[in-house]
Amino acid sequence: GAGVSQTPSNKVTEKGKYVELRCDPISGHTALYWYRQSLGQGPEFLIYFQGTGAADDSGLPNDRFFAVRPEGSVSTLKIQRTERGDSAVYLCASSLDSNSGNTIYFGEGSWLTVV
Amino acid sequence: RKEVEQDPGPFNVPEGATVAFNCTYSNSASQSFFWYRQDCRKEPKLLMSVYSSGNEDGRFTAQLNRASQYISLLIRDSKLSDSATYLCVVRSYNTDKLIFGTGTRLQVFP
Repeated sequence: GAGVSQTPSNKVTEKGKYVELRCDPISGHTALYWYRQSLGQGPEFLIYFQGTGAADDSGLPNDRFFAVRPEGSVSTLKIQRTERGDSAVYLCASSLDSNSGNTIYFGEGSWLTVV
Repeated sequence: RKEVEQDPGPFNVPEGATVAFNCTYSNSASQSFFWYRQDCRKEPKLLMSVYSSGNEDGRFTAQLNRASQYISLLIRDSKLSDSATYLCVVRSYNTDKLIFGTGTRLQVFP
């Protein structure tokens, strides 16, 4: 498909384990965003990439969370030593570039459950 | 105080009703404004941008009041298919991230 693709769509992991969530943006989109959404809340900003570099990582909650985008396309969100409070849907989005006039398109999300 | 605030609802309205949602934002540097729609267990999708002069898209009308830092969405002639959560979103000129409200849940009943 031509949309933002995220894998896995669902992930159940044990507390303390390491998790990687992958995002494949729309082809040609240079801006990529990660958000986290908990039940009953709006999406919460985590990090944003323009190309390969993290332009704004102010939303990462702590040093257990890290994201990369080594070739300026696919991005991986990495969570170390997972905690039950990390359970949420992790949404990836992309846009043509960071111009405020460009629409941001979301993927369907990776639903993470930490037990 | 949250940067974007919305009444979470739910708003329960009959088909054909007119319903309005409001949203306030705290950062006066906010430059762009949007309403997104999110269906249950789905991703958010852009419903419409909000312009200073106000704008309309079919049954949907969005208004912006920069002085009061207030955004609204009006839905006329509600349909069952309008049932969803409506997210108020702002973007500052000096950052490229979107800041979302908690969303307002709308349930349209027959």
